[in-house]
Amino acid sequence: DAKTTQPNSMESNEEEPVHLPCNHSTISGTDYIHWYRQLPSQGPEYVIHGLTSNVNNRMASLAIAEDRKSSTLILHRATLRDAAVYYCILRDPPGNQFYFGTGTSLTVIP
Amino acid sequence: GAGVSQSPSNKVTEKGKDVELRCDPISGHTALYWYRQSLGQGLEFLIYFQGNSAPDKSGLPSDRFSAERTGGSVSTLTIQRTQQEDSAVYLCASSPRQGATNEKLFFGSGTQLSVL
Repeated sequence: DAKTTQPNSMESNEEEPVHLPCNHSTISGTDYIHWYRQLPSQGPEYVIHGLTSNVNNRMASLAIAEDRKSSTLILHRATLRDAAVYYCILRDPPGNQFYFGTGTSLTVIP
Repeated sequence: GAGVSQSPSNKVTEKGKDVELRCDPISGHTALYWYRQSLGQGLEFLIYFQGNSAPDKSGLPSDRFSAERTGGSVSTLTIQRTQQEDSAVYLCASSPRQGATNEKLFFGSGTQLSVL
């Protein structure tokens, strides 16, 4: 399973954009980049995923570097509800599992 | 139900006892995953099922751990002769189809296991 590196923790002010980085220098050409987040006392929930192109959905945007060795999850306006641990995961389907690291703990300051 | 259901939500047991943890996936989801999360740690993959078969048991930490799935639905994770290091949150997830490029996992809220 390919490895990802994320900062242990980050802080953001409420209603400001948040950029959560992820390094994955050993990514292979067929690895998809997935992001999940885990709110306190809950199981993780899907946020977004992509392969090469930037992706947007109602929750967030995913910016993928041209060489694919890094990516950034962008929350456009942080709310208190966005305080969670964010996991960046590489996955090469089919058959490969979702391997979660320790993620980035995001604190949102009112 | 609307989501993945796990029971019990909390389980306290004595060292050496056996425990069973249950997962009810979302109806129609063929893939089911078990993970373990120790305090302050990330998720550790344990096992996954496609239907009733478990193609990947590589994450089970020892032969004290086993899991089964019946009827392509409910799954039970059994831990025999529990040890204190088994204390963790056990999370279950399901998905409509394992291996799809757009596969998304839907998680339950977990079972908090405490071994005294």
